[in-house]
Amino acid sequence: GEDVEQSLFLSVREGDSSVINCTYTDSSSTYLYWYKQEPGAGLQLLTYIFSNMDMKQDQRLTVLLNKKDKHLSLRIADTQTGDSAIYFCAERGSGTYKYIFGTGTRLKVLA
Amino acid sequence: NAGVTQTPKFRVLKTGQSMTLLCAQDMNHEYMYWYRQDPGMGLRLIHYSVGEGTTAKGEVPDGYNVSRLKKQNFLLGLESAAPSQTSVYFCASSYVVSGANVLTFGAGSRLTVL
Repeated sequence: GEDVEQSLFLSVREGDSSVINCTYTDSSSTYLYWYKQEPGAGLQLLTYIFSNMDMKQDQRLTVLLNKKDKHLSLRIADTQTGDSAIYFCAERGSGTYKYIFGTGTRLKVLA
Repeated sequence: NAGVTQTPKFRVLKTGQSMTLLCAQDMNHEYMYWYRQDPGMGLRLIHYSVGEGTTAKGEVPDGYNVSRLKKQNFLLGLESAAPSQTSVYFCASSYVVSGANVLTFGAGSRLTVL
């Protein structure tokens, strides 16, 4: 079945770039998403990319999509302590309302 | 505009008790979802609804029931709670922007079953 995998933890120093990686299995995915969850809160949409794109940039965020390898990454430039959170990758297949979420990557930013 | 509101935020139940989690959205979204979040497992879909009066099963529906009598409300019921249902429950509704179906989440309801 469909699956989305992420590493569980990432630690970076303030001011460095963070790269969070995700692999997925459903080749019919039309949109891929990155959500952010801060402590004690629900998930908030950070950005998304359509499957016919290979890159999307939005201020400090850059999303790269490699459809051949089914690999998605989120790069956060100039990482700040406020970026400490759990980041979830998610995919949604064509013609379905069902999202598949990864396990989430906990990003810790060290001052 | 409150977005997605979940009540209660915290609840402790004994095994076998029943309860209902309420989700309300004021954004006129058609689609609503209930997820559970467990450590190391990400979010798993319990049930979802594509419109008023309709519901469908997700990945992990056993032990839960739902109802969507009004468009703005999506209720999640536990008829006989079990310790395995200890989790954080998130409700979400979704809208479409530029073709992408985007989820808006509530703040979560933490349920402990003893």
